[in-house]
Amino acid sequence: KNEVEQSPQNLTAQEGEFITINCSYSVGISALHWLQQHPGGGIVSLFMLSSGKKKHGRLIATINIQEKHSSLHITASHPRDSAVYICAVPPPYSGAGSYQLTFGKGTKLSVIP
Amino acid sequence: EPEVTQTPSHQVTQMGQEVILRCVPISNHLYFYWYRQILGQKVEFLVSFYNNEISEKSEIFDDQFSVERPDGSNFTLKIRSTKLEDSAMYFCASREQGSNEKLFFGSGTQLSVL
Repeated sequence: KNEVEQSPQNLTAQEGEFITINCSYSVGISALHWLQQHPGGGIVSLFMLSSGKKKHGRLIATINIQEKHSSLHITASHPRDSAVYICAVPPPYSGAGSYQLTFGKGTKLSVIP
Repeated sequence: EPEVTQTPSHQVTQMGQEVILRCVPISNHLYFYWYRQILGQKVEFLVSFYNNEISEKSEIFDDQFSVERPDGSNFTLKIRSTKLEDSAMYFCASREQGSNEKLFFGSGTQLSVL
C-alpha cells in the first residue's frame, strides 16, 4: 500500500495569491488524482495525471514520477477556491486502470477576500 | 451537465439493521465505485464494479457489504447488519470506459448508525 502525504495541512491565503499544495507518495505509481472537496462535502475530480503537467483554468497540476511528488497550483486564488484539496493514488504498479485509491488527508485551503 | 445521483442524502438507522444506499451513475458510464469518509478522516475506497461483477474491493468491504446493479440505471450498496463504526459519508462514483478517465462523484449519503 502506498503512503500519501500532503502538505501543508492547512493553508490560508489572500485573494489573488499563488497557491501550491504538495503531495508525495512512497511507492511508484502509474497515475495520481487531485480532487476537491467542497465545504458541503461534495467531491469533484480535478485532474488525473501520469506525467508532466496538466492545466485547467487557474489550476495546474504537475507530477514528477522519479521523485514521487506532485503539486497542485492555483493562480490568482479566489474565495470560491476555498475547499479541501486531496491527492489520491492507485496501488503500486497497478496500472492507471485501478481506482482502488489511497487518499491523502487533504489540504484545507481558505482564501480570504 | 450529467451527474451521479445518490439517495437518500441522509440515512439514520439502528445498529444491526440493514441499509441500502442507492446511486444512479451517469448513463454512459461503465465503471462504478463506492467510497466512504468517516467524519474527520480520509476518504477510503470500498469497492469497484464493472460488467456486473466486483473488480476490486478493500479490506473494509467484508461479508456485511454487497453491491448490486439491479437494473440498467441503479447501483446499490447494502450493509446487512450495520455497526456503529459504519457511520460515515458514503460516496458513489462512476467513470467512462478508458484508463485515464476522471471520476464523477455523487453528493454522498450520510449514514448515521445509532
